[in-house]
Amino acid sequence: GAGVSQSPSNKVTEKGKDVELRCDPISGHTALYWYRQSLGQGLEFLIYFQGNSAPDKSGLPSDRFSAERTGGSVSTLTIQRTQQEDSAVYLCASSYATGTSVYNEQFFGPGTRLTVL
Amino acid sequence: RKEVEQDPGPFNVPEGATVAFNCTYSNSASQSFFWYRQDCRKEPKLLMSVYSSGNEDGRFTAQLNRASQYISLLIRDSKLSDSATYLCAVNRPAAGNKLTFGGGTRVLVKP
Repeated sequence: GAGVSQSPSNKVTEKGKDVELRCDPISGHTALYWYRQSLGQGLEFLIYFQGNSAPDKSGLPSDRFSAERTGGSVSTLTIQRTQQEDSAVYLCASSYATGTSVYNEQFFGPGTRLTVL
Repeated sequence: RKEVEQDPGPFNVPEGATVAFNCTYSNSASQSFFWYRQDCRKEPKLLMSVYSSGNEDGRFTAQLNRASQYISLLIRDSKLSDSATYLCAVNRPAAGNKLTFGGGTRVLVKP
């Protein structure tokens, strides 16, 4: 079946502009995650949505970052007033995990490569 | 100290050889563990899940040592196509279902 899809695959923007990144999870997956990976760095957790529960925003680096998930499916990550340090690959993942399950196999989309000039 | 640590490598491996590397984690409440493979400029792809003592899938074997708080990945009969970065991820459900990743171990298999 279809995997996680993300759009756009690449985004170049100017410092100070807002950007929106989209994620379409695997059908039936209740949990959706956003991570980012900077050049030469590991994956950094940003935000997690589980069903209708309040999202876990503990990884968002600043209040310029926000995300929403409409209808329990598609999610949008918004970065306002982008800065050069926001340049990274933004990865979305989804899983069947519910609540506090240990069986949390996450499957990643291809990512959006964001470059802030 | 980072919560999940890996030797960045690279591990230079002759084709056909066996290579093994570890991932250490600092939080003893970690309950499940995952190995992902990431190719250059690609997304991580799930390789193996470890929920108990270990797991084996073909040429790949993962082992968990809870006492010493590390998991290992062993690749037998290495192929050129095994060249990649291997990411370790740790799950602590009590802290929310987000994975904490290590920085990755780079493996280069050479003819």
